[in-house]
Amino acid sequence: EDQVTQSPEALRLQEGESSSLNCSYTVSGLRGLFWYRQDPGKGPEFLFTLYSAGEEKEKERLKATLTKKESFLHITAPKPEDSATYLCAVQASGTYKYIFGTGTRLKVLA
Amino acid sequence: NAGVTQTPKFRVLKTGQSMTLLCAQDMNHEYMYWYRQDPGMGLRLIHYSVGEGTTAKGEVPDGYNVSRLKKQNFLLGLESAAPSQTSVYFCASSYPALLTSQNSYEQYFGPGTRLTVT
Repeated sequence: EDQVTQSPEALRLQEGESSSLNCSYTVSGLRGLFWYRQDPGKGPEFLFTLYSAGEEKEKERLKATLTKKESFLHITAPKPEDSATYLCAVQASGTYKYIFGTGTRLKVLA
Repeated sequence: NAGVTQTPKFRVLKTGQSMTLLCAQDMNHEYMYWYRQDPGMGLRLIHYSVGEGTTAKGEVPDGYNVSRLKKQNFLLGLESAAPSQTSVYFCASSYPALLTSQNSYEQYFGPGTRLTVT
């Protein structure tokens, strides 16, 4: 069964304290892995797509990486405005559906 | 472009009442999706559509119906609301990608509808 697991569930960081969020996945053939940011009371906002192991994408303080079993979202020198829930999703071969993890709630303290 | 919009933003229903949630997108996307989001359970797919006039069941379809009469609109209906359907509902759309394609496309989400069934 296709599955996505995110860890940790919640993370508190001091401003400037770098860390990584994990997304482990089990799919029968990966078509794409997606990272989204979700602020309270809003819909998820797209951040990155990764397609194959070894691929990396960067945007400001965020960097997403992909292996055959997991993806990491690295946050370098975070700021309070990076506080949000970060969602990971995958799409498997032969399907139109996306499978989401339950997210990591990130809180960055000033 | 407005992107993906959802109507209404909030709604309170009594058990047994019916309602329709409307999703509209102006990006000419072929694929549209309805999800529900509950604490600790993530986004779960209710129904989806890969084109005008087509719909398919997702992970949690029971108690819901959908219609895609126009490419830009995707309607989610609750015929007889139950307290278990209290949730936040999100609509999303994406560009099409063939099932045989090795790539896929990101989804664009609406702002959500917060539904409470008492």
